[in-house]
Amino acid sequence: DAKTTQPTSMDCAEGRAANLPCNHSTISGNEYVYWYRQIHSQGPQYIIHGLKNNETNEMASLIITEDRKSSTLILPHATLRDTAVYYCIAHGGGSNYKLTFGKGTLLTVNP
Amino acid sequence: DTGVTQSPTHLIKTRGQQVTLRCSPISGHKSVSWYQQVLGQGPQFIFQYYEKEERGRGNFPDRFSARQFPNYSSELNVNALLLGDSALYLCASSKRGENTEAFFGQGTRLTVV
Repeated sequence: DAKTTQPTSMDCAEGRAANLPCNHSTISGNEYVYWYRQIHSQGPQYIIHGLKNNETNEMASLIITEDRKSSTLILPHATLRDTAVYYCIAHGGGSNYKLTFGKGTLLTVNP
Repeated sequence: DTGVTQSPTHLIKTRGQQVTLRCSPISGHKSVSWYQQVLGQGPQFIFQYYEKEERGRGNFPDRFSARQFPNYSSELNVNALLLGDSALYLCASSKRGENTEAFFGQGTRLTVV
């Protein structure tokens, strides 16, 4: 899996949009961008994934740049329960059987 | 629809002992993966099994082994425990082996003393 780079931490005010960036400049054409989050002491939770088009589901939106070298996860109205570590993963290709987690971004939503 | 279940939730073992962790995937999921998460780090891939065959293995010593049963449940075994094996062990299930979302259990917290 291609290496991804994320900020170590971010803050967001409750009710505002949280925009979490991810850099994956070495992503290959058959690798998807996946986002997971992990709330303290729980297992990771799948959020969303995409290949090259923008995606939206009930949890979040994923914006992937046209050159696919970076992406942004958007939580439109962050709540206190969205405080978690968010992982961006480039997944697929020859090692598509595993997810390669980095250290992720600790998002803290403040009241 | 029940999620991925892991047992036990917590475990304390002594150095040199052996441990078996268990995982039941979501009904209909044929792939089970195991991850180790030490404090302050992201989960690290240990094994994936799909249709009862090992599909991938991470960079872990031979003390770590796993298997998948006909009902797709799985066990992770660790022999000759070391202090450094203390971690949260996570199981994830998915419908297929690749490019599908993985659903994680709550993990087993293993402490080696």
